[in-house]
Parts: sequence; structure tokens; C-alpha cells
Amino acid sequence: DAGVIQSPRHEVTEMGQEVTLRCKPISGHNSLFWYRQTMMRGLELLIYFNNNVPIDDSGMPEDRFSAKMPNASFSTLKIQPSEPRDSAVYFCASTKGASGGSANEQFFGPGTRLTVL
Amino acid sequence: DQQVKQNSPSLSVQEGRISILNCDYTNSMFDYFLWYKKYPAEGPTFLISISSIKDKNEDGRFTVFLNKSAKHLSLHIVPSQPGDSAVYFCAAGLLYGNNRLAFGKGNQVVVIP
Repeated sequence: DAGVIQSPRHEVTEMGQEVTLRCKPISGHNSLFWYRQTMMRGLELLIYFNNNVPIDDSGMPEDRFSAKMPNASFSTLKIQPSEPRDSAVYFCASTKGASGGSANEQFFGPGTRLTVL
Repeated sequence: DQQVKQNSPSLSVQEGRISILNCDYTNSMFDYFLWYKKYPAEGPTFLISISSIKDKNEDGRFTVFLNKSAKHLSLHIVPSQPGDSAVYFCAAGLLYGNNRLAFGKGNQVVVIP
């Protein structure tokens, strides 16, 4: 199993530019999560999907952030326009579903380190 | 509002000694708790978990203790090894329900050879 795949691994952009982060969850997993990691706030949940449907986007910081999951094997997180305070590591994670037990274990991708100048 | 709190952001321990990481949570509905380990430039990886019906779960050198009345859990690593040097995240969620987890800010552990 390839695990959760994220691209790009690193992104450096200038303020005001659009940034798109991509994620491919583990095959067969039906829940997908986007997190942002910063020193100040640790791992924050931005949004999560269940069966490709956004369930909770209350963690999305502003309207500049949007996420989509057009199918079970692909999701994007877009920031438009980007700002320097968006600089962080963004993780995507997936899990099998809400059946309890180990189903709650989330598998993380390697992350995208975003730097907005 | 941080529902899962990890104080003492960094810990240094001698190889072979015990590492103890602490975690407190505020939401009494949480009934499933996990520890994740994270190396630099990698995503967090699952380490060990415990449900609220237990007060201890052991897996090799790693043991998690849960004190429900105090809303407190801890991770013990014994003996600590240099490869254990990483950031450790505590997470909490619902065993049956939605899949979301609340994470703490993490503890940096450095094991000195």
C-alpha cells in the first residue's frame, strides 16, 4: 500500500498567488482530513470529508481557503489569495470509517511545507 | 479552544531511562485516545491507542495509561532509545461516531545516547 500521497512536498510562493495542495488517500478509506501544523497551534483540523462529502469545515480559517473531494481518490486544498501567515505544513490524512476501534486511526501523508513570501 | 493539551513541550532523557509524556483533555465525551509519533519531514504515524474501558494498554516498550476521572493520559517509553527522538502528539476522539480527532500541540522528545 502506497499510503497517503501528497503533492507537492514543498511549495514556495509569493503573497497573493493561488496555491493548490493535493492529496490521494489510501484506497478503501472513506474519510479524509486536512490539517495544518504550526508551532503556535500544533495540528489543527481544517476540514474533513466522509464519502467525498464535506462534513465539518469549521476549522477553515477564512474564505480564502477551500477544499474539494471530487472522487474517493483525490482531494485538493486551495488557498486564494495566499498570505505569509498561511505558511505552515499541511497534512492530509485518511481513515477507514466510523465503525469504531482502529477505524479511528488516521493515516497521514508526508505533508506539504508551504512558504508564502 | 484546545480540547487536548500537552504541556512541557520538550523532554530530554538519557538512553535506557524512562520517558513520560502527559496529556490532558477537557471533553468528557472523548472515549478513544491515541498517541502519534512524528519525525522531521514526515507525517505523524500511529503509535498506540486506548479506549475508555481500559486504564492501561501496553505494546512493547510503549504503555499508555488513562485516568478518566482526571481526564489525563500518559505515555511511558521504557527503555528509551535514540530512535525514539521525535515529536509525540496526543489525540482524542469518539470510538463510535464521527472520525475526527482533536490533537495536542505535541511534545519534542530527545533521547541522549
